[in-house]
Amino acid sequence: EPEVTQTPSHQVTQMGQEVILRCVPISNHLYFYWYRQILGQKVEFLVSFYNNEISEKSEIFDDQFSVERPDGSNFTLKIRSTKLEDSAMYFCASSEEGGRGPQHFGDGTRLSIL
Amino acid sequence: SQQGEEDPQALSIQEGENATMNCSYKTSINNLQWYRQNSGRGLVHLILIRSNEREKHSGRLRVTLDTSKKSSSLLITASRAADTASYFCATDFKAAGNKLTFGGGTRVLVKP
Repeated sequence: EPEVTQTPSHQVTQMGQEVILRCVPISNHLYFYWYRQILGQKVEFLVSFYNNEISEKSEIFDDQFSVERPDGSNFTLKIRSTKLEDSAMYFCASSEEGGRGPQHFGDGTRLSIL
Repeated sequence: SQQGEEDPQALSIQEGENATMNCSYKTSINNLQWYRQNSGRGLVHLILIRSNEREKHSGRLRVTLDTSKKSSSLLITASRAADTASYFCATDFKAAGNKLTFGGGTRVLVKP
Protein backbone atom coordinates (compact mmCIF):
# COMPACT_ATOMS: atom_id res chain seq x y z
CA GLU A 1 0.00 0.00 0.00
CA PRO A 2 1.38 3.45 -0.87
CA GLU A 3 2.59 5.45 2.09
CA VAL A 4 3.87 8.86 3.05
CA THR A 5 7.59 8.86 3.83
CA GLN A 6 9.43 11.42 5.91
CA THR A 7 13.12 12.10 6.36
CA PRO A 8 15.03 12.34 8.56
CA SER A 9 13.39 10.36 11.34
CA HIS A 10 15.29 12.40 13.93
CA GLN A 11 16.94 15.80 13.56
CA VAL A 12 19.02 17.46 16.25
CA THR A 13 19.81 21.12 15.64
CA GLN A 14 21.27 24.05 17.53
CA MET A 15 18.89 26.89 18.35
CA GLY A 16 18.94 29.54 15.64
CA GLN A 17 19.85 27.12 12.87
CA GLU A 18 17.70 26.40 9.85
CA VAL A 19 16.13 22.97 9.36
CA ILE A 20 14.40 21.40 6.41
CA LEU A 21 12.07 18.49 6.98
CA ARG A 22 11.27 16.40 3.95
CA CYS A 23 8.21 14.43 2.93
CA VAL A 24 7.22 12.36 -0.06
CA PRO A 25 3.41 12.28 -0.18
CA ILE A 26 1.39 9.56 -1.88
CA SER A 27 1.78 10.13 -5.60
CA ASN A 28 -1.80 10.73 -6.72
CA HIS A 29 -2.73 12.90 -3.73
CA LEU A 30 -3.42 16.58 -4.24
CA TYR A 31 -3.61 17.95 -0.68
CA PHE A 32 -0.60 18.15 1.59
CA TYR A 33 -0.29 19.04 5.25
CA TRP A 34 2.14 19.56 8.06
CA TYR A 35 1.13 18.93 11.66
CA ARG A 36 3.19 18.90 14.80
CA GLN A 37 2.90 17.17 18.15
CA ILE A 38 4.77 18.52 21.12
CA LEU A 39 5.54 15.73 23.59
CA GLY A 40 2.44 14.89 25.60
CA GLN A 41 0.22 17.36 23.74
CA LYS A 42 -2.34 17.28 20.95
CA VAL A 43 -1.55 17.01 17.28
CA GLU A 44 -1.70 20.59 15.94
CA PHE A 45 -2.30 21.72 12.40
CA LEU A 46 0.42 23.90 10.88
CA VAL A 47 -0.33 24.34 7.19
CA SER A 48 -2.18 22.90 4.23
CA PHE A 49 -1.04 23.10 0.62
CA TYR A 50 -3.02 22.60 -2.56
CA ASN A 51 -2.44 23.49 -6.18
CA ASN A 52 1.08 24.72 -5.44
CA GLU A 53 0.09 27.22 -2.82
CA ILE A 54 -0.74 27.44 0.86
CA SER A 55 -4.48 27.03 1.33
CA GLU A 56 -4.56 27.52 5.09
CA LYS A 57 -2.13 28.08 7.94
CA SER A 58 -2.38 28.25 11.70
CA GLU A 59 -1.08 31.00 13.96
CA ILE A 60 1.84 28.71 14.78
CA PHE A 61 2.97 28.94 11.15
CA ASP A 62 4.63 32.33 11.38
CA ASP A 63 7.29 33.94 9.18
CA GLN A 64 9.89 31.48 10.42
CA PHE A 65 8.10 28.65 8.62
CA SER A 66 7.78 27.98 4.92
CA VAL A 67 6.70 25.09 2.74
CA GLU A 68 7.65 24.12 -0.75
CA ARG A 69 6.92 21.46 -3.31
CA PRO A 70 10.12 21.83 -5.29
CA ASP A 71 9.90 19.00 -7.79
CA GLY A 72 6.42 17.52 -7.96
CA SER A 73 7.16 14.70 -5.53
CA ASN A 74 8.77 16.19 -2.42
CA PHE A 75 7.02 18.45 0.08
CA THR A 76 9.28 20.29 2.50
CA LEU A 77 8.87 22.28 5.69
CA LYS A 78 11.58 24.80 6.48
CA ILE A 79 12.09 26.47 9.81
CA ARG A 80 14.44 29.42 9.29
CA SER A 81 15.72 30.12 12.77
CA THR A 82 14.77 27.40 15.20
CA LYS A 83 13.71 28.04 18.78
CA LEU A 84 13.68 25.67 21.73
CA GLU A 85 9.89 25.54 21.57
CA ASP A 86 10.04 24.17 18.02
CA SER A 87 11.09 20.82 19.50
CA ALA A 88 8.31 18.40 18.53
CA MET A 89 7.32 15.57 16.23
CA TYR A 90 6.47 16.94 12.80
CA PHE A 91 4.07 14.93 10.70
CA CYS A 92 3.44 15.24 7.01
CA ALA A 93 0.11 14.06 5.61
CA SER A 94 -1.49 13.84 2.21
CA SER A 95 -5.02 13.33 1.01
CA GLU A 96 -6.97 12.82 -2.21
CA GLU A 97 -9.99 14.74 -1.01
CA GLY A 98 -8.71 17.32 1.42
CA GLY A 99 -10.57 17.43 4.71
CA ARG A 100 -13.49 15.54 3.21
CA GLY A 101 -11.53 12.30 3.20
CA PRO A 102 -8.90 10.43 5.19
CA GLN A 103 -5.45 11.89 5.55
CA HIS A 104 -2.45 9.59 5.33
CA PHE A 105 0.37 10.37 7.72
CA GLY A 106 4.06 9.68 7.64
CA ASP A 107 5.91 8.39 10.70
CA GLY A 108 7.14 11.86 11.51
CA THR A 109 10.43 13.63 12.12
CA ARG A 110 11.43 14.13 15.72
CA LEU A 111 13.01 17.60 15.87
CA SER A 112 15.16 18.33 18.90
CA ILE A 113 16.43 21.87 19.35
CA LEU A 114 19.40 22.29 21.71
CA SER B 1 -11.12 25.69 21.33
CA GLN B 2 -13.41 24.05 18.79
CA GLN B 3 -12.40 20.62 19.91
CA GLY B 4 -13.50 19.12 23.19
CA GLU B 5 -11.62 16.55 25.14
CA GLU B 6 -11.71 12.85 24.60
CA ASP B 7 -12.55 10.60 27.47
CA PRO B 8 -11.27 8.66 29.11
CA GLN B 9 -7.70 9.91 28.80
CA ALA B 10 -6.48 6.39 29.52
CA LEU B 11 -8.06 2.96 29.49
CA SER B 12 -6.68 -0.38 30.63
CA ILE B 13 -8.51 -3.58 29.72
CA GLN B 14 -7.91 -7.31 29.40
CA GLU B 15 -7.56 -8.95 26.02
CA GLY B 16 -10.98 -9.96 24.72
CA GLU B 17 -12.82 -7.11 26.41
CA ASN B 18 -14.37 -4.20 24.57
CA ALA B 19 -12.91 -0.69 24.68
CA THR B 20 -15.07 2.39 24.33
CA MET B 21 -13.83 5.93 24.04
CA ASN B 22 -15.68 9.18 23.43
CA CYS B 23 -15.00 12.44 21.67
CA SER B 24 -16.84 15.74 21.89
CA TYR B 25 -16.64 18.82 19.72
CA LYS B 26 -18.19 22.26 19.70
CA THR B 27 -19.06 23.44 16.19
CA SER B 28 -20.62 21.97 13.04
CA ILE B 29 -18.60 19.37 11.19
CA ASN B 30 -18.40 17.86 7.72
CA ASN B 31 -17.00 14.64 9.07
CA LEU B 32 -15.27 13.09 12.05
CA GLN B 33 -12.35 10.70 11.76
CA TRP B 34 -10.63 8.32 14.15
CA TYR B 35 -6.90 7.64 14.05
CA ARG B 36 -4.58 5.28 15.91
CA GLN B 37 -1.04 6.11 16.92
CA ASN B 38 1.39 3.49 18.10
CA SER B 39 4.22 4.76 20.25
CA GLY B 40 6.76 6.68 18.19
CA ARG B 41 4.84 6.22 14.94
CA GLY B 42 2.56 8.28 12.73
CA LEU B 43 -1.21 8.38 12.79
CA VAL B 44 -3.08 5.63 11.01
CA HIS B 45 -6.53 6.40 9.68
CA LEU B 46 -9.16 4.01 11.05
CA ILE B 47 -12.58 5.23 10.05
CA LEU B 48 -14.41 8.31 8.78
CA ILE B 49 -18.01 9.12 9.56
CA ARG B 50 -19.82 11.91 7.75
CA SER B 51 -22.14 14.36 9.47
CA ASN B 52 -25.22 12.74 7.91
CA GLU B 53 -24.25 9.27 9.16
CA ARG B 54 -25.03 7.89 12.60
CA GLU B 55 -23.06 4.67 12.75
CA LYS B 56 -20.26 3.02 10.83
CA HIS B 57 -18.47 -0.31 11.14
CA SER B 58 -15.08 -1.50 10.01
CA GLY B 59 -14.01 -4.93 11.18
CA ARG B 60 -13.91 -4.84 15.00
CA LEU B 61 -14.45 -1.07 15.04
CA ARG B 62 -17.78 0.63 15.50
CA VAL B 63 -18.15 4.41 15.41
CA THR B 64 -21.24 6.37 16.29
CA LEU B 65 -21.93 10.05 15.73
CA ASP B 66 -24.56 12.14 17.49
CA THR B 67 -24.54 15.59 15.91
CA SER B 68 -27.22 16.85 18.31
CA LYS B 69 -24.87 16.14 21.23
CA LYS B 70 -21.77 16.93 19.20
CA SER B 71 -20.17 13.69 20.23
CA SER B 72 -18.79 10.47 18.80
CA SER B 73 -17.74 7.16 20.24
CA LEU B 74 -15.31 4.51 19.08
CA LEU B 75 -15.86 0.92 20.19
CA ILE B 76 -13.20 -1.72 19.71
CA THR B 77 -14.68 -5.16 20.22
CA ALA B 78 -12.78 -8.27 21.33
CA SER B 79 -9.61 -6.28 21.93
CA ARG B 80 -6.15 -7.70 21.30
CA ALA B 81 -2.77 -6.79 22.74
CA ALA B 82 -1.93 -5.31 19.32
CA ASP B 83 -4.71 -2.74 19.83
CA THR B 84 -2.56 -1.06 22.48
CA ALA B 85 -2.11 2.48 21.16
CA SER B 86 -3.41 6.02 21.47
CA TYR B 87 -6.64 6.76 19.67
CA PHE B 88 -7.53 10.23 18.42
CA CYS B 89 -10.64 11.73 17.00
CA ALA B 90 -10.20 14.47 14.43
CA THR B 91 -12.84 16.74 13.03
CA ASP B 92 -13.23 18.51 9.73
CA PHE B 93 -15.09 21.63 10.83
CA LYS B 94 -17.34 23.32 8.29
CA ALA B 95 -15.75 26.70 8.90
CA ALA B 96 -12.19 25.42 8.91
CA GLY B 97 -11.17 24.66 5.34
CA ASN B 98 -9.74 21.21 4.90
CA LYS B 99 -7.55 20.82 7.98
CA LEU B 100 -8.19 18.35 10.78
CA THR B 101 -8.53 19.37 14.42
CA PHE B 102 -7.42 16.63 16.79
CA GLY B 103 -8.56 15.77 20.27
CA GLY B 104 -6.21 14.92 23.10
CA GLY B 105 -6.50 11.19 22.56
CA THR B 106 -7.22 8.13 24.66
CA ARG B 107 -4.32 5.86 25.60
CA VAL B 108 -5.51 2.26 25.48
CA LEU B 109 -3.57 -0.57 27.11
CA VAL B 110 -4.75 -4.08 26.33
CA LYS B 111 -3.25 -6.58 28.73
CA PRO B 112 -2.70 -10.13 27.47
